[in-house]
Amino acid sequence: NAGVTQTPKFQVLKTGQSMTLQCAQDMNHEYMSWYRQDPGMGLRLIHYSVGAGITDQGEVPNGYNVSRSTTEDFPLRLLSAAPSQTSVYFCASSSRGTSTDTQYFGPGTRLTVL
Amino acid sequence: TQLLEQSPQFLSIQEGENLTVYCNSSSVFSSLQWYRQEPGEGPVLLVTVVTGGEVKKLKRLTFQFGDARKDSSLHITAAQPGDTGLYLCAVNFGNEKLTFGTGTRLTIIP
Repeated sequence: NAGVTQTPKFQVLKTGQSMTLQCAQDMNHEYMSWYRQDPGMGLRLIHYSVGAGITDQGEVPNGYNVSRSTTEDFPLRLLSAAPSQTSVYFCASSSRGTSTDTQYFGPGTRLTVL
Repeated sequence: TQLLEQSPQFLSIQEGENLTVYCNSSSVFSSLQWYRQEPGEGPVLLVTVVTGGEVKKLKRLTFQFGDARKDSSLHITAAQPGDTGLYLCAVNFGNEKLTFGTGTRLTIIP
């Protein structure tokens, strides 16, 4: 099992550009989520999904879109990148998303917006 | 927004010393998780505590869940350089959303 994979590992964008961060898991997990990590602020939830076709907003959803067409994939789209979106992005998955489930994290994508 | 506060924010100690880090909230939660994150990687689960007053041990790491279910502590005995990392607590406040604390960045000096 590869676990949770994320691509790309690094990305530099100019303000206003769009891009998609890819996330895939091969553990047949129902629950997937996206976090951003900024210095001194821990991990903040952007969007999450409890199953294919179902998504919902987290704590900081503005400027980001998601979709969940398959169980395996959960891409994160930045429609018009802003410098405030410079961060490290982590995708995670868990079996059912309950409070006692183990969250499995990908290796992260480091995004810089100029 | 429900908050998790972790303290201290930074901790640097010598190899072989003991340490305790804390996770506190003003809200009651049903369970709490501790994760460790190493540079350039995603967090990895260490433990989940679910019962008030519960104590769990993982080798040199001891995790305690407060009786009132509002706080937790992580105690490391005889710290090793391999314990270096960012320690995060995380709580699900019952809404399918996992909330993370701001973390304690631990450095063990050989």
